[in-house]
Formats: sequence, C-alpha cells, structure tokens
Amino acid sequence: GAGVSQSPRYKVAKRGQDVALRCDPISGHVSLFWYQQALGQGPEFLTYFQNEAQLDKSGLPSDRFFAERPEGSVSTLKIQRTQQEDSAVYLCASSSGTFQETQYFGPGTRLLVL
Amino acid sequence: QKEAEQNSGPLSVPEGAIASLNCTYSDRGSQSFFWYRQYSGKSPELIMFIYSNGDKEDGRFTAQLNKASQYVSLLIRDSQPSDSATYLCAVIAAAGNKLTFGGGTRVLVKP
Repeated sequence: GAGVSQSPRYKVAKRGQDVALRCDPISGHVSLFWYQQALGQGPEFLTYFQNEAQLDKSGLPSDRFFAERPEGSVSTLKIQRTQQEDSAVYLCASSSGTFQETQYFGPGTRLLVL
Repeated sequence: QKEAEQNSGPLSVPEGAIASLNCTYSDRGSQSFFWYRQYSGKSPELIMFIYSNGDKEDGRFTAQLNKASQYVSLLIRDSQPSDSATYLCAVIAAAGNKLTFGGGTRVLVKP
C-alpha cells in the first residue's frame, strides 16, 4: 500500500514569507507526527496528533509554527514569517495505533529560507 | 545530557565485517527503542524495534537492549557497501509517543 506522502518535496521561501507543508499519512493511521531535522542532526519532535486532536505541541519552536489535522487524516504544518533558522527538512510520520507503535516516515519537505 | 546519545562516527568497517553501534539513553522509564537507517538526502527507514531486555535478530541485524545500563546497540553482520548510511537510534519515554532521536552514527563500509 501507499506510504506517507509529503508535499512539496522542496520549498524555497524568502524570509518573512508564510509556508504550508502537507502530509498524507498511511491510510487508517491514527497517529501523526511532525519532526524537524537540521543538517547533520537527528530529527527533533515538533507535534503529535491522535486523529484530529493535537495532543502534544511541546516541540513547536515558536508561535510562528502551527499545525492542524482537521479531519483526522491529512495534516498541514504552517510556518508564518519564515526565518533563516527555519531552514531544515520537515518530516511527517504516522503510526497505526495510539501507544508507542512503530512510526513510518514520509520523504520529507526540504525548506530553504533565503 | 541528551535523552539519546550516539557516537557520530564515521564508523569505518571493511566489507564482510561486523559493525557495532551503540546508543545510551537517559530516561530510565523508557520502554520502546528503535533503530532507523537514513541514506543521505532520504528519510529515516525502520530497521528494527525492541522492547525487552536481551537480543532480537532480524536477518543480518541484531538489536541488543540493556535497560539496567540504559543502552541499546545494533550489530550489522556481513556488512555490505549498501549498508553505508547514518543509523539513528530513537527512544520513546515511558509516558508519551514521540520519538527522541540520537544524533546518528555514520557508517562507511569499504569494499
């Protein structure tokens, strides 16, 4: 079956621009996660959804970052007024259950802020 | 101390040898442990998960978990050039679902 998909795969934004990153999880997966990966580092947790409920947003670095999953499937990560330090790969992952199941990652969106 | 720590490497091993990777974690209550492989420019790909103390084998890969010493390791037997990648350990704490990753160990398998 289809895996996790993300779009766009690459995004170049001018500093101050708003961007929206989309994630399509594996069909039927209840849990959805967003991670940020800087060059040469491991992914860092941003936020977690269980169905449409955002249960953990402790990793969002500032109030410029906002995520939603209104119908419990597709999710969007929005970054307002982008800064150069937002340049990173944004990874989406999904899992079938609600307690510590394996997470499967999408291909990521590489964001470059100029 | 970071919640999960790995030696960044690179770990250079000859083809056919065993590559041994280690990861230590700080949350003693952690219950779920994962190894992911990440090729350059690609996303993490699950290799193995382990929940219980001891060894778990899957093909050429063996994961070892020691909760008393708070480390998890990965052995790659008969290493192949295609195993050259960054290996990420990830931990889920006792309460929660988020993965906490180590910084990754870069492995280079030389023909």
